[in-house]
Amino acid sequence: DAGVIQSPRHEVTEMGQEVTLRCKPISGHDYLFWYRQTMMRGLELLIYFNNNVPIDDSGMPEDRFSAKMPNASFSTLKIQPSEPRDSAVYFCASSPTGTGGRHYGYTFGSGTRLTVV
Amino acid sequence: GEDVEQSLFLSVREGDSSVINCTYTDSSSTYLYWYKQEPGAGLQLLTYIFSNMDMKQDQRLTVLLNKKDKHLSLRIADTQTGDSAIYFCAEISNSGYALNFGKGTSLLVTP
Repeated sequence: DAGVIQSPRHEVTEMGQEVTLRCKPISGHDYLFWYRQTMMRGLELLIYFNNNVPIDDSGMPEDRFSAKMPNASFSTLKIQPSEPRDSAVYFCASSPTGTGGRHYGYTFGSGTRLTVV
Repeated sequence: GEDVEQSLFLSVREGDSSVINCTYTDSSSTYLYWYKQEPGAGLQLLTYIFSNMDMKQDQRLTVLLNKKDKHLSLRIADTQTGDSAIYFCAEISNSGYALNFGKGTSLLVTP
């Protein structure tokens, strides 16, 4: 398996523009997570899905952020309009359901470095 | 939410042992994890420990868990320059499926 695939790796955009980040989870993983990493705040969970259904979006900072998972192999995180304070590295991760309550941890993608100027 | 705390920096000499510490507050934590992040890369799962264990060893890595004190440590034996990275402690509670991460410890290994 190629692992969790994110695109683009880098994105530079102007304030006010729409940004769409993409993620392909590992086949067979039924959990998908979006995290944001900054120096000040560390890793923050934005939203996660189980079987394509959003379970917890309490970490989504504002209505400018939205996430979708139209099928088991694809998810998007959209920011509209983007602002300079959204500059961060955005990670997608996926995980299988643990059997017997065992959790396997996540597999992370390489991240998208977003710069809003 | 519940807190996971780590010291921010650690510097060791090549060949020495490194010990990275972590404390957490959620008493219902069931699994605790150590992740490694190299520059420009995502997080890589190193190891994990179930809350009913107090030690786990995997080659050069030893994880110690003191559940009473809610203290987790990662020991890296014979530290190499390739071990220089940021190490994240994370926990998951029995009620959820989302990992809660510490802010990471930057490990610098000097020759």
